[in-house]
Amino acid sequence: NAGVTQTPKFQVLKTGQSMTLQCAQDMNHNSMYWYRQDPGMGLRLIYYSASEGTTDKGEVPNGYNVSRLNKREFSLRLESAAPSQTSVYFCASSERTGGSNQPQHFGDGTRLSIL
Amino acid sequence: GENVEQHPSTLSVQEGDSAVIKCTYSDSASNYFPWYKQELGKRPQLIIDIRSNVGEKKDQRIAVTLNKTAKHFSLHITETQPEDSAVYFCAASISGNTPLVFGKGTRLSVIA
Repeated sequence: NAGVTQTPKFQVLKTGQSMTLQCAQDMNHNSMYWYRQDPGMGLRLIYYSASEGTTDKGEVPNGYNVSRLNKREFSLRLESAAPSQTSVYFCASSERTGGSNQPQHFGDGTRLSIL
Repeated sequence: GENVEQHPSTLSVQEGDSAVIKCTYSDSASNYFPWYKQELGKRPQLIIDIRSNVGEKKDQRIAVTLNKTAKHFSLHITETQPEDSAVYFCAASISGNTPLVFGKGTRLSVIA
């Protein structure tokens, strides 16, 4: 099992460009998450999907959109990239959201630089 | 909503000594407390977790303790080794459809 797979691993964008980060999990998990990690800032939740067909905002949703394409896939879109969005982006999944059902499993991350 | 405070932000110990990282949480309804380890350039990985009906859990050199009355939980690493050097994150969760809330992390350096 691959677990959580993120693509691409690295990306450089120019300000104003758009792009979609892809995430897929093969653990039959119901819930999926997108985080960003900046130096010294820890993990900040951007959006999450508690189950297929639902999405909710996290701590830092501005400038992002998400799509839960099916149970396996959860994508993150930057419509008009800004230098402040330079970060490492992690996708994660868990059996469910809430309580003890959510040990989260993380992907390897996407390192995104916006010039 | 839930708030998780983690201390210290950096910690240096000599190889073989013990390391302790502490977290406090605000919501008394929180019932699940995982700890993640993130090595440089890698993804966070779950190393141990504890549920609110348990006061302590051990796995070889690592242990977690939970004090529900004081609303704090701690990670203990004994006989530290250089490969324990990493950033450690605590988190807390309440039931329902609320995601984990993470602390800001502790950078542990084990000096050989």
